[in-house]
Amino acid sequence: NAGVTQTPKFQVLKTGQSMTLQCAQDMNHEYMSWYRQDPGMGLRLIHYSVGAGITDQGEVPNGYNVSRSTTEDFPLRLLSAAPSQTSVYFCASSLEDRSGYTFGSGTRLTVV
Amino acid sequence: GQSLEQPSEVTAVEGAIVQINCTYQTSGFYGLSWYQQHDGGAPTFLSYNGLDGLEETGRFSSFLSRSDSYGYLLLQELQMKDSASYFCAVRDEGYNQGGKLIFGQGTELSVKP
Repeated sequence: NAGVTQTPKFQVLKTGQSMTLQCAQDMNHEYMSWYRQDPGMGLRLIHYSVGAGITDQGEVPNGYNVSRSTTEDFPLRLLSAAPSQTSVYFCASSLEDRSGYTFGSGTRLTVV
Repeated sequence: GQSLEQPSEVTAVEGAIVQINCTYQTSGFYGLSWYQQHDGGAPTFLSYNGLDGLEETGRFSSFLSRSDSYGYLLLQELQMKDSASYFCAVRDEGYNQGGKLIFGQGTELSVKP
């Protein structure tokens, strides 16, 4: 039981490049979310999903796309990377609110 | 939309008790959660309060008062390993209910010997 797996763990991009951050969970959770965390800040919700084929925007969705074709996978796409997207990105999944979210170990992204 | 307020930092000594408060403003309310994050690590779930009152899990307890839009996390018998950031979180009204969990800015707890 691997939990929530994020890849890559570290990434450096040049401004304007695109990339996909991968997230997979093996707990059959319906809820999945992407957060970004900047130094000294809380977790800000980018996009979330309540099941395969269903996604919605969070607090800071601009510059990011998501899709959810399976229950297990929830990739996050950066369309054209900008220095403001330098951050730590966390993927999380949950069965329901009261059981809490399980977080992946994060992807540390630097855009230069 | 949602807003949550919690103190930015709290300091306490080993063995003591500390309380971290969280006030929230929501358009609907679906429960208050607490998470712990050690420096550089992934957040981990601590507790959930859906109804008023106290929930206890070992040395940690969490309290909710829906009428006051207020909750707190209580940590007893503090240990050095409790030094971490603590976040409260609430679910916003989102697509098809569920899934849109919004976090506060976090409280950095420092435990001193």
